[in-house]
Amino acid sequence: QVTLKESGPVLVKPTETLTLTCTVSGFSLSNARMGVSWIRQPPGKALEWLAHIFSNDEKSYSTSLKSRLTISKDTSKSQVVLTMTNMDPVDTATYYCARTVDVIGRLLDYWGQGTLVTVSS
Amino acid sequence: QSVLTQPPSASGTPGQRVTISCSGSSSNIGSNTVNWYQQLPGTAPKLLIYSNNQRPSGVPDRFSGSKSGTSASLAISGLQSEDEADYYCAAWDDSLNGPGVVFGGGTKLTVL
Repeated sequence: QVTLKESGPVLVKPTETLTLTCTVSGFSLSNARMGVSWIRQPPGKALEWLAHIFSNDEKSYSTSLKSRLTISKDTSKSQVVLTMTNMDPVDTATYYCARTVDVIGRLLDYWGQGTLVTVSS
Repeated sequence: QSVLTQPPSASGTPGQRVTISCSGSSSNIGSNTVNWYQQLPGTAPKLLIYSNNQRPSGVPDRFSGSKSGTSASLAISGLQSEDEADYYCAAWDDSLNGPGVVFGGGTKLTVL
């Protein structure tokens, strides 16, 4: 079955760079029209899409965060990595990765459990 | 604030039918399909409706979706206590300012 799992630090300091890894199973990052998105959710707030990467290496970023984000993938390891620079306390959130299929629009169909990242000195 | 507009809350009694609206624009709902997610307390979002009105395997037919123009709706019939959750609409946005997935602000459904 399709599973995704996020991993990374639970606590980062302001101005530091956050690196999160999404490890997938049940599908391949080389499958046509398939990819992974990152989404975050601050405590008690709504979901916010951050970025995605597809099997053909197409990448797209949130306009408001584009200057701070980098997404990449390692197909052989079944991993997608998101880096976010210059972290701030407002970036405290649960970060999710989700499988994204480009068949009927861009559909986020399977989600990881999420990982809570707190930004504090 | 979120690109898609949802009411912050909705409620109903067991057995009732409730609807949740989602309003967007021509660059998102108006030109792309709408998906709905259910987020139970303390858990990750789960796909509930895709492509405006399609249910993934395992989702009860009590849940239905529709879309018209730049708006969409989620309907839940025969409301049950386990339906108490946050519901989010989402769509791809073709905005020239930067394409991407946009979400609604979420609707907290309370079963009275």
